[in-house]
Amino acid sequence: DGGITQSPKYLFRKEGQNVTLSCEQNLNHDAMYWYRQDPGQGLRLIYYSQIVNDFQKGDIAEGYSVSREKKESFPLTVTSAQKNPTAFYLCASRRGPRAPANYGYTFGSGTRLTVV
Amino acid sequence: AQRVTQPEKLLSVFKGAPVELKCNYSYSGSPELFWYVQYSRQRLQLLLRHISRESIKGFTADLNKGETSFHLKKPFAQEEDSAMYYCALSIGRGSDKLIFGTGTRLQVFP
Repeated sequence: DGGITQSPKYLFRKEGQNVTLSCEQNLNHDAMYWYRQDPGQGLRLIYYSQIVNDFQKGDIAEGYSVSREKKESFPLTVTSAQKNPTAFYLCASRRGPRAPANYGYTFGSGTRLTVV
Repeated sequence: AQRVTQPEKLLSVFKGAPVELKCNYSYSGSPELFWYVQYSRQRLQLLLRHISRESIKGFTADLNKGETSFHLKKPFAQEEDSAMYYCALSIGRGSDKLIFGTGTRLQVFP
């Protein structure tokens, strides 16, 4: 089960608490991504990073934060400002902008976050 | 704005029947399109990329720029094809963003 590891698989959070989801990859990929998956809405991009110490907002970045201090790691923090955090979160990676455009993404197995 | 539309949430067919999962996109640039599949209890994985013009597991997809479509087709569905299928559009400088449709669940009955 190599490639991308997301942990934990299931996470419960009380309202008002921040929580951090882990994403680690051993593929030597430059680019990493966080998506949120909700029923009937597909996958929506939260944040992405093409290189260490740099990242960009996706379509639904409000209430989330990320860091990219190491190439292998791209943790996502769901803050108390995120109004509806209960969802399935997917991390993905890709070789990077200099890779051929048709290279696919590699996805993790996801983290299901539930706010209680 | 860039957008990927998959009009069907659910598509149910019997084994051996032809399958067509629809995908339309909106993008002013030159599109790079993909189909991803998620089988039950498995990770999302790449099925097809339009630039490769390949056939994977009997599935094909042709990019029609005039109709801005990238429909996924298979002439004879199998039970093991039952899964969630996502159409995706790669955009941005260096194709650094992937925009997904809402997905279509394919159910193949015996």
